[in-house]
Amino acid sequence: AQKITQTQPGMFVQEKEAVTLDCTYDTSDPSYGLFWYKQPSSGEMIFLIYQGSYDQQNATEGRYSLNFQKARKSANLVISASQLGDSAMYFCAMREGGASGAGSYQLTFGKGTKLSVIP
Amino acid sequence: EAGVAQSPRYKIIEKRQSVAFWCNPISGHATLYWYQQILGQGPKLLIQFQNNGVVDDSQLPKDRFSAERLKGVDSTLKIQPAKLEDSAVYLCASSLVGTDNSPLHFGNGTRLTVT
Repeated sequence: AQKITQTQPGMFVQEKEAVTLDCTYDTSDPSYGLFWYKQPSSGEMIFLIYQGSYDQQNATEGRYSLNFQKARKSANLVISASQLGDSAMYFCAMREGGASGAGSYQLTFGKGTKLSVIP
Repeated sequence: EAGVAQSPRYKIIEKRQSVAFWCNPISGHATLYWYQQILGQGPKLLIQFQNNGVVDDSQLPKDRFSAERLKGVDSTLKIQPAKLEDSAVYLCASSLVGTDNSPLHFGNGTRLTVT
């Protein structure tokens, strides 16, 4: 079974509008972390935001916020006031803690969502 | 601070040839990762080092891929012999420690084309 599922291969959003990118995850480990990365066409992977499994509040980082619904195992990324520069691939990733036996704390990525911002 | 440095940026080789990639992590980062990203997919972990020791190489095709991290700093990833399916972007990343909330910082990657 896939550990990270991103069901939207591509998304379009009007400039200045908000957009939500979906991510669901699968783990039996009580301790885990969720990350979102942005990958522009240049290829670099840019860290955006982190949410820990024990965090009580949703993470926010500037225009990025994470809608964390633990019971549903979802960690959707919300981008507010979209800008043309937000056009990129977005990857959701999960790091499981040592309880699962993954002592390496391996970071597992989803397949990504391509976001296109329309002027 | 200086980011993760990788070289070369691009490499084209013929199948059955060998190739090596180099990575210099962010200063002070104990954990170093090599990921393979095939076009249209998310990155897949090949190997993870903690200082100069291997923590996880379960997804490294050991019959053709090898990696080392000299003195716990720089790292090289080698493919010998290369196959067509090795065409991908090879990303190096580093983090302070390899635990829950330590984000990975990535280099710009090496785009490998095997013909």
